[in-house]
Amino acid sequence: TQLLEQSPQFLSIQEGENLTVYCNSSSVFSSLQWYRQEPGEGPVLLVTVVTGGEVKKLKRLTFQFGDARKDSSLHITAAQPGDTGLYLCAGEGWDNYGQNFVFGPGTRLSVLP
Amino acid sequence: EAQVTQNPRYLITVTGKKLTVTCSQNMNHEYMSWYRQDPGLGLRQIYYSMNVEVTDKGDVPEGYKVSRKEKRNFPLILESPSPNQTSLYFCASSPSTISSYEQYFGPGTRLTVT
Repeated sequence: TQLLEQSPQFLSIQEGENLTVYCNSSSVFSSLQWYRQEPGEGPVLLVTVVTGGEVKKLKRLTFQFGDARKDSSLHITAAQPGDTGLYLCAGEGWDNYGQNFVFGPGTRLSVLP
Repeated sequence: EAQVTQNPRYLITVTGKKLTVTCSQNMNHEYMSWYRQDPGLGLRQIYYSMNVEVTDKGDVPEGYKVSRKEKRNFPLILESPSPNQTSLYFCASSPSTISSYEQYFGPGTRLTVT
């Protein structure tokens, strides 16, 4: 079974600070996605990365897919309280049993005003 | 509005009483999936469906059933719920492009089994 680890598990920072969260696996994924989940709601897709080494930017968020397609990072510049939430990475791949979709446990971010 | 809907949003039931959680999407997506989310364990896939009449087990299918008779609906059935199925459940759908399965999630169903 493919597994995804995320670090840190919890992160509390002041408004305006920069931060990076990581998503790591020993498995190769055909694509990797980042979601943000707020309390009482379902996860919302932020970005999908497909190519090894790919970098995507979404306003103050920068996403990178590792060259070997086993890991990814999310960097937030000048964090704001609205960035508070649970950040989930999800890897998509195929194994002997078919399509496989696995989520990491998440990084819970709190941005204090 | 393009969305995934789930019903009910909250459910408290007793052990052994059959229940169904409905899921419907209005985006004409082929791929649909059910997850449960538990503290410390993250989201785990229960079942998924690549298209009508095609369903497959995910990582934690025991105790659950699904059906996909229509493209828009993907109900989750618990024939005999047990307390260890107390969880937050999410339905998701995806347009399933060749390169990736970008999923759109419903608002969740919080189930408590006593």
